[in-house]
Amino acid sequence: GAVVSQHPSRVICKSGTSVKIECRSLDFQATTMFWYRQFPKQSLMLMATSNEGSKATYEQGVEKDKFLINHASLTLSTLTVTSAHPEDSSFYICSARDLRDQPQHFGDGTRLSIL
Amino acid sequence: AQKITQTQPGMFVQEKEAVTLDCTYDTSDPSYGLFWYKQPSSGEMIFLIYQGSYDQQNATEGRYSLNFQKARKSANLVISASQLGDSAMYFCAMSPATTGGFKTIFGAGTRLFVKA
Repeated sequence: GAVVSQHPSRVICKSGTSVKIECRSLDFQATTMFWYRQFPKQSLMLMATSNEGSKATYEQGVEKDKFLINHASLTLSTLTVTSAHPEDSSFYICSARDLRDQPQHFGDGTRLSIL
Repeated sequence: AQKITQTQPGMFVQEKEAVTLDCTYDTSDPSYGLFWYKQPSSGEMIFLIYQGSYDQQNATEGRYSLNFQKARKSANLVISASQLGDSAMYFCAMSPATTGGFKTIFGAGTRLFVKA
């Protein structure tokens, strides 16, 4: 089945640091990837849709300048949390869909902790 | 409006018994996909089962089956012969065709506890 790799799995850093998270589709091409945020014991909240070769589409209430998304190739999307603060601490997870089948395939997620 | 509702925040089931996790949805789109995902404590999202809105038969995948009742707009997940490893969070999700079948809406989730 389709595999999505997300890196890093865990980040702990100081307030003010910018953190980049990578999401790769390993065995298929993904023109569209998705970035979600998940707070403890809550559901996944869609942050933005990442489109290869064009600007990302952000959901209402998500700050574009805070969460920079780049989808430079058909297999890689990156999410950069700029000048991260403790309130940005969360579980971030990406997904992509292989057009050969139906479900979205998820990366293993990144636990971000800002001290 | 597109919406997924999971009304059971938590469920308990005895090992080896069957359990049903409820899911109702709301959409005006005639074409959509329904999904169930499992999220263990480690965080990864594991795809379990898919049902297309035009599929005549209920989907089955091993111990998982989806009880699809289109008129009631429900898509309940049935897990047969529960195992301790089934303890996890379960999310029902929907992809309406109007979003190109890409954007997925998730329910609030149900946490399943399997007792030995």
